[in-house]
Amino acid sequence: QVHLVQSGAEVKEPGASVKVSCKASGYTFTSYFMHWVRQAPGQGLEWMGMINPSGGGTIYAQKFQGRVTMTRDTSTSTVYMELSSLKSEDTAVYYCAREREACDYWGQGTLVTVSS
Amino acid sequence: QAGLTQPPSVSKDLRQTATLTCTGNSNNVGNQGAAWLQQHQGHPPKLLSYRNNNRPSGISERFSASRSGNTASLTITGLLPEDEADYYCSAWDSSLRVWVFGGGTKLTVL
Repeated sequence: QVHLVQSGAEVKEPGASVKVSCKASGYTFTSYFMHWVRQAPGQGLEWMGMINPSGGGTIYAQKFQGRVTMTRDTSTSTVYMELSSLKSEDTAVYYCAREREACDYWGQGTLVTVSS
Repeated sequence: QAGLTQPPSVSKDLRQTATLTCTGNSNNVGNQGAAWLQQHQGHPPKLLSYRNNNRPSGISERFSASRSGNTASLTITGLLPEDEADYYCSAWDSSLRVWVFGGGTKLTVL
């Protein structure tokens, strides 16, 4: 059974960084891309980027270029998303989602609150 | 980056049929087709269909998707109270090399 389990909620001050993890199980980790999508309170879904767990290659949305880093650890089947220089507008629920032809399994979401 | 266009809201009566639309361009919906996601308040999105009308296992046949040119559609027949949710379309944009989402449609079942 496929599971994507994300790390817990975070509260950060403006200017800080946050690193969210997503641990995969129940499938071959390197056979599916992993995407990160965020959702601000009351807003829609926003794609941040993706990582190929097989080779580690990444594609980031232009909006987050220079601020986001996605990495993976194949030994633990975990992907990470680090967002730096946090602003209040980064307050959102962050989701990981695996994809081959579509994002078919999603993590439970991680709430990141940016507040002084 | 360009997103997909969805109507903000649709309201239909119980047991009726709702059709939601999603308009993109030839680089995304018109090329790769669209996926549809359902999201209930406080929950992660759930995949309903992909590449226009492929349904993951466990998804009701009441949900069917199609595409005409650069517009994708999701039709939900026999509306139930639990169908009240936000619905998002998404697609890979082969020109921009990014995933794009629609702004979402809030479906209200009256």
